[in-house]
Amino acid sequence: EVLLVESGGGLVKPGGSLRLSCAASGFTVTNAWMSWVRQAPGKGLEWVGRIKSKTDGGTTDYAAPVKGRFTVSRDDSKNTLYLEMDSLKTEDTAVYYCTTGFRWGQGTLVTVSS
Amino acid sequence: DVVMTQSPLSLPVTLGQPASISCRSSQSLVYSDGNTYLNWFQQRPGQSPRRLIYKVSNRDSGVPDRFSGSGSGTDFTLKISRVEAEDVGVYYCMQGTHWPPAFGQGTRLEIK
Repeated sequence: EVLLVESGGGLVKPGGSLRLSCAASGFTVTNAWMSWVRQAPGKGLEWVGRIKSKTDGGTTDYAAPVKGRFTVSRDDSKNTLYLEMDSLKTEDTAVYYCTTGFRWGQGTLVTVSS
Repeated sequence: DVVMTQSPLSLPVTLGQPASISCRSSQSLVYSDGNTYLNWFQQRPGQSPRRLIYKVSNRDSGVPDRFSGSGSGTDFTLKISRVEAEDVGVYYCMQGTHWPPAFGQGTRLEIK
């Protein structure tokens, strides 16, 4: 069975950093295009960033609000996707989901507040 | 960036009746490979999103056949032939043709 399990969310002060993890099972992250999508409390869905499969170059792309502050990466040996978030702002407060498009994790809540 | 506009934003429906959600994009969603990367997602209360439809009209595995997608270019529609109680939630269209991918604002379906 394909599963995605996010972790690493929590409360962080503005300007702080946090690393989210997304452990995958049932498939190999190396071979998949994977993305992070966020949802602010009571709001809609917003794409954050993605990493292409290794065969498609493994490159990353980011939405404008997070470009230069967030980094998507993966550890093939751990079959895990990451989202490194730096210089966090209050407007980054959201539930963060990892997804293959079809499969979604349960999400992890990030709260940026002083 | 491409803007996705859904209507209506709120959709009260009687059980057993059909429902329809419209989604319009600010640019054509036909990609250079000839495909149209328009997806539909369902988010039930308290749950993660679930993809229902990909590339306009292809149902994902496990999705009931009462859900159907149609459209082309910039105009797309999600239809539910007979609404059931488990269909309550928010529905989002999403384009994956142009970077960045973009979601519509969401349509909240409720039982009347």
